[in-house]
Amino acid sequence: RKEVEQDPGPFNVPEGATVAFNCTYSNSASQSFFWYRQDCRKEPKLLMSVYSSGNEDGRFTAQLNRASQYISLLIRDSKLSDSATYLCVVNKGGSYIPTFGRGTSLIVHP
Amino acid sequence: GAVVSQHPSRVICKSGTSVKIECRSLDFQATTMFWYRQFPKKSLMLMATSNEGSKATYEQGVEKDKFLINHASLTLSTLTVTSAHPEDSSFYICSASRESIYNEQFFGPGTRLTVL
Repeated sequence: RKEVEQDPGPFNVPEGATVAFNCTYSNSASQSFFWYRQDCRKEPKLLMSVYSSGNEDGRFTAQLNRASQYISLLIRDSKLSDSATYLCVVNKGGSYIPTFGRGTSLIVHP
Repeated sequence: GAVVSQHPSRVICKSGTSVKIECRSLDFQATTMFWYRQFPKKSLMLMATSNEGSKATYEQGVEKDKFLINHASLTLSTLTVTSAHPEDSSFYICSASRESIYNEQFFGPGTRLTVL
């Protein structure tokens, strides 16, 4: 089993739709979780950290489920500009070394 | 978010030359920086973890003598691709870890290396 797994997609959704991605991780001792966004030929940008209690930032909601070892990202009211690859990042337990998922591609169409 | 710069943004060089890439954290100190490589339509691949004042830790399969890393200060890490060959052409991205309870990483804009 890979350390961090994501469905590569692509997820093709119309503007205004709600879309959710999951990311599973194998190391139960993992401490820190993040969602990054990467546009084509650009560097990843931090979208949000994922707290134990979950967190929300505008149209974006992130959740952590430690029992099932996954994190999720929910995007409401999708915009064309949300089209990107969303990377799940998990820091290994006891270290700062990040492990990246392969990313989930989202395409929002008019 | 915190700012990380990377220089140069684009390099085209001849086979056999060495290329140095700089990564700087501009508004925070980073004891740990990371170097990644990304081929087209592929995932980010961690090459090495750069620790200020100590030797870098390389991932399996990454040649430390080919990819020299120096983390001389809390705001600067450099990656030197020695004797570059066409197969080294890639997008090299650094990130700096800001110390907090979450240790978020912030990425530089990347360096696109093309070796002819």
